[in-house]
Amino acid sequence: AQSVSQHNHHVILSEAASLELGCNYSYGGTVNLFWYVQYPGQHLQLLLKYFSGDPLVKGIKGFEAEFIKSKFSFNLRKPSVQWSDTAEYFCAVNAREGAAGNKLTFGGGTRVLVKP
Amino acid sequence: SAVISQKPSRDICQRGTSLTIQCQVDSQVTMMFWYRQQPGQSLTLIATANQGSEATYESGFVIDKFPISRPNLTFSTLTVSNMSPEDSSIYLCSVARSSYNEQFFGPGTRLTVL
Repeated sequence: AQSVSQHNHHVILSEAASLELGCNYSYGGTVNLFWYVQYPGQHLQLLLKYFSGDPLVKGIKGFEAEFIKSKFSFNLRKPSVQWSDTAEYFCAVNAREGAAGNKLTFGGGTRVLVKP
Repeated sequence: SAVISQKPSRDICQRGTSLTIQCQVDSQVTMMFWYRQQPGQSLTLIATANQGSEATYESGFVIDKFPISRPNLTFSTLTVSNMSPEDSSIYLCSVARSSYNEQFFGPGTRLTVL
């Protein structure tokens, strides 16, 4: 079975600081990887995704994530955050094949507060 | 992406009653899913809604408690039956164009059971 862990439950930082959120997954096969974001009062939105190819993927709003297969990690980064990046961030995984591919497994989420 | 709407957006219900949540998509999709997000927690998949057949439930979720319908490729319902306060959660619908693709989420239904 797949599992996803996010290392930080809460992150507080100031505007212009750099952000890195850790995500590790456990699954023996090939996976698709996602980061979703939920801004206050809004629904869950896809931030970026990795299916194959270049392990460094760029998403919306200046976010990027790097897939390191040997470490089973898919960490999210942003060089300089803004107050509007205050949100909860979820890492998610699904298997690339088999019946488990229908199942999206989420990490516990990381609440990010950016102070102006 | 897809535009997904859910009804109701929120409800407060009494213990022992049932609530049906609707999910409508603006275009045909292959996959539809139902998730639960309990207070302060992450999302947990309840079931995959299959068009024309019974839903596929995840471990810990049963059809008697969470009956699901999917009459066509743009609509699904989730019923939370015989509710208790432990069912207080946000229930989310998601869709995907095909298996193994990214999922897009609806705005959720916030349910409070008294």
